[in-house]
Amino acid sequence: EAGVAQSPRYKIIEKRQSVAFWCNPISGHATLYWYQQILGQGPKLLIQFQNNGVVDDSQLPKDRFSAERLKGVDSTLKIQPAKLEDSAVYLCASSLGQYTQYFGPGTRLTVL
Amino acid sequence: DAKTTQPTSMDCAEGRAANLPCNHSTISGNEYVYWYRQIHSQGPQYIIHGLKNNETNEMASLIITEDRKSSTLILPHATLRDTAVYYCIVRADYGQNFVFGPGTRLSVLP
Repeated sequence: EAGVAQSPRYKIIEKRQSVAFWCNPISGHATLYWYQQILGQGPKLLIQFQNNGVVDDSQLPKDRFSAERLKGVDSTLKIQPAKLEDSAVYLCASSLGQYTQYFGPGTRLTVL
Repeated sequence: DAKTTQPTSMDCAEGRAANLPCNHSTISGNEYVYWYRQIHSQGPQYIIHGLKNNETNEMASLIITEDRKSSTLILPHATLRDTAVYYCIVRADYGQNFVFGPGTRLSVLP
């Protein structure tokens, strides 16, 4: 069974630029999550989708972050404009409903 | 905030059992204990979860105390590849998201 796919694996941008990350969940998983993991900390949930609807985006900085999950399958997370403090690993996870989450390898973002 | 407390770091000799403790004194009756680990430069990997009974799978065993206020993850024969950060999380299966703390950094030494 294929796992959660993410791309790119690494991205370096300058502050005020925009960036987008892509995630393809495990086939059949209706729930998709985006997490931000700052160096030395545990992952922090940014947004949760159930199919193509948002369930929880309470911790998403909506002035600069946006996410969508068109057609209820793959998803993109965008940052526009990026700040230095956005440097982190962005993890995507998926699950069947609200059960065990399975994570992708992450995208490491460096903002200069 | 995370509902669990774990030691910051632990060492274990290769081939020995690694016992990772977790305190969750405010756990509710419908909350499960989950364990994940994160190997360097990878996403978190699911290990095991349980409600009140001890659980075992091909990766590890989970021992939950009778009062459910603490638990221990046991890796029976640790290898160098088990070096990782281990996260203990409590969560109800419905209605709650995973809240990760800083975890325990386990170093398996040759």
